[in-house]
Amino acid sequence: GIQVEQSPPDLILQEGANSTLRCNFSDSVNNLQWFHQNPWGQLINLFYIPSGTKQNGRLSATTVATERYSLLYISSSQTTDSGVYFCAETRGTYKYIFGTGTRLKVLA
Amino acid sequence: ETGVTQSPTHLIKTRGQQVTLRCSSQSGHNTVSWYQQALGQGPQFIFQYYREEENGRGNFPPRFSGLQFPNYSSELNVNALELDDSALYLCASSPDYFETQYFGPGTRLLVL
Repeated sequence: GIQVEQSPPDLILQEGANSTLRCNFSDSVNNLQWFHQNPWGQLINLFYIPSGTKQNGRLSATTVATERYSLLYISSSQTTDSGVYFCAETRGTYKYIFGTGTRLKVLA
Repeated sequence: ETGVTQSPTHLIKTRGQQVTLRCSSQSGHNTVSWYQQALGQGPQFIFQYYREEENGRGNFPPRFSGLQFPNYSSELNVNALELDDSALYLCASSPDYFETQYFGPGTRLLVL
């Protein structure tokens, strides 16, 4: 079955620092998405990125489908970036299969 | 703001009771999915409804059931609550079953 692993599991940054989060898949990537879950539990869609690179402000993402991984870059981090970042894939009945998550804390 | 709302925000029940959680999808979204997120874990897919019919189910027992209504609202019902049902329950709506899902704020359920 599909296994979605994310690294690192936990990350603490000083405000203004940059970071890279990784998502590895055991099967071929399909309909990959990145989400941010804020401390109140709300899941926010960041990127739909089955392949290639996208950028949105301080965030960007790259998926290399042939090598079964995706990266999320956060530049000039802010305290509001804190929370848990999930990657997720869909297949079959279009359910999301979520990764293990990266818990990010940005310190002021 | 995703336009997806859920009620109630928090709920406390005792083991053996039944619970109904509600979700209001974005207007025009004909697909709703429900997920269970235990503390410290990623969300797990419960089931999906497409045009009021179940369109896929995860590894959850039959005591988890759902309904989707024509007015873009939906329900998740859980019977015979168990302690392990304590979790954040998330609904997500999408314009169609193969399109991006947008999540509501969730309902936190505590079973004592």
